[in-house]
Amino acid sequence: GENVEQHPSTLSVQEGDSAVIKCTYSDSASNYFPWYKQELGKGPQLIIDIRSNVGEKKDQRIAVTLNKTAKHFSLHITETQPEDSAVYFCAASIGGGADGLTFGKGTHLIIQP
Amino acid sequence: ETGVTQSPTHLIKTRGQQVTLRCSSQSGHNTVSWYQQALGQGPQFIFQYYREEENGRGNFPPRFSGLQFPNYSSELNVNALELDDSALYLCASNVRKGSYSNYGYTFGSGTRLTVV
Repeated sequence: GENVEQHPSTLSVQEGDSAVIKCTYSDSASNYFPWYKQELGKGPQLIIDIRSNVGEKKDQRIAVTLNKTAKHFSLHITETQPEDSAVYFCAASIGGGADGLTFGKGTHLIIQP
Repeated sequence: ETGVTQSPTHLIKTRGQQVTLRCSSQSGHNTVSWYQQALGQGPQFIFQYYREEENGRGNFPPRFSGLQFPNYSSELNVNALELDDSALYLCASNVRKGSYSNYGYTFGSGTRLTVV
């Protein structure tokens, strides 16, 4: 089955700086890669996703890049703000598959004022 | 548009007991999936329901079972509870048209289950 590794487990950045979270996956058949943000006491919230026919996708301050050859994908957050503090999860799946999403272990992003 | 709602929010059960968790899918969504999230870990896929049938299951034993109702709401049942079943149980819904779909899940806030 799919295995997703996520790094770092904790990331502390100054407000206004950029943050980068990296993930690798094992199953070359995976073609859908969402990122979720989870705040304390809440469920994961989809913030951006990418499909394997695309190398990069942006949405305002958030971007995701995908390298299919190396089987890794990254989340980039620019101009970080205090409300970006949360746990971020990457996931991988076969978009049309029956095995659900396989998640990484999460990155606790801390924005220092 | 209402999101995914789950009940109860917290639950304490004794080892060996049975538990039922409930989920209402987001308006317009026809597929419900359940995930288990242990403390400090990412969610793990339990199973998915579509058209009231289970299709797609993760690495969970048969004592984890579910139902989906005609209004697309769902239940997760766990029998013979073990201490390791203590976790946050998340329900997620999305839209599926024909073939399987893992796109665009919306998650609920979860049910925190503690087994003592």
